[in-house]
Amino acid sequence: AAGVIQSPRHLIKEKRETATLKCYPIPRHDTVYWYQQGPGQDPQFLISFYEKMQSDKGSIPDRFSAQQFSDYHSELNMSSLELGDSALYFCASSRLTSRGETQYFGPGTRLLVL
Amino acid sequence: DAKTTQPPSMDCAEGRAANLPCNHSTISGNEYVYWYRQIHSQGPQYIIHGLKNNETNEMASLIITEDRKSSTLILPHATLRDTAVYYCIVSWDKLSFGAGTTVTVRA
Repeated sequence: AAGVIQSPRHLIKEKRETATLKCYPIPRHDTVYWYQQGPGQDPQFLISFYEKMQSDKGSIPDRFSAQQFSDYHSELNMSSLELGDSALYFCASSRLTSRGETQYFGPGTRLLVL
Repeated sequence: DAKTTQPPSMDCAEGRAANLPCNHSTISGNEYVYWYRQIHSQGPQYIIHGLKNNETNEMASLIITEDRKSSTLILPHATLRDTAVYYCIVSWDKLSFGAGTTVTVRA
């Protein structure tokens, strides 16, 4: 079965640079969630999109923005990168069914800011 | 603010059943109980979820108490590959990951 695809899998950036992370949801899934997992921490919700509209927002820095496109893929744009942005970034996709909305996660993008 | 409480760690013998408890006394009527696991920095893996009734799939069973204030995830025959951090999450949309239970399966 098709899974969530994230690219790139690894990314190394310098401080103050920008980064773009991409997420391709499972076919027919219309909702995308982004999570950040710092070293030794649990995943934390950043932002979500449903049918190309932002549906919820968590503790996402103002330096970060995201959007969902007409083909339902999503991009997380990160500017003025800081050392503390080094983390794993997971994307999850879902669609509402009679049994709720189960999220399926991608393999993540590991971002290292030097 | 944590909505679920799980023991921080648990050991299990290979081939035996692993029973993972979770307390969620403030669960709302429309919130599901989800279980995910994360194996060493991989993406969290969906295991099972339920609303009121007990559920079973190819990976595990989920037992939810009648008052929905607690649940138990059962891995029927633990293997070494089940060693992971297990998260119990109550939600109807975004997932709020707590500390989880680190399960170590020993040979």
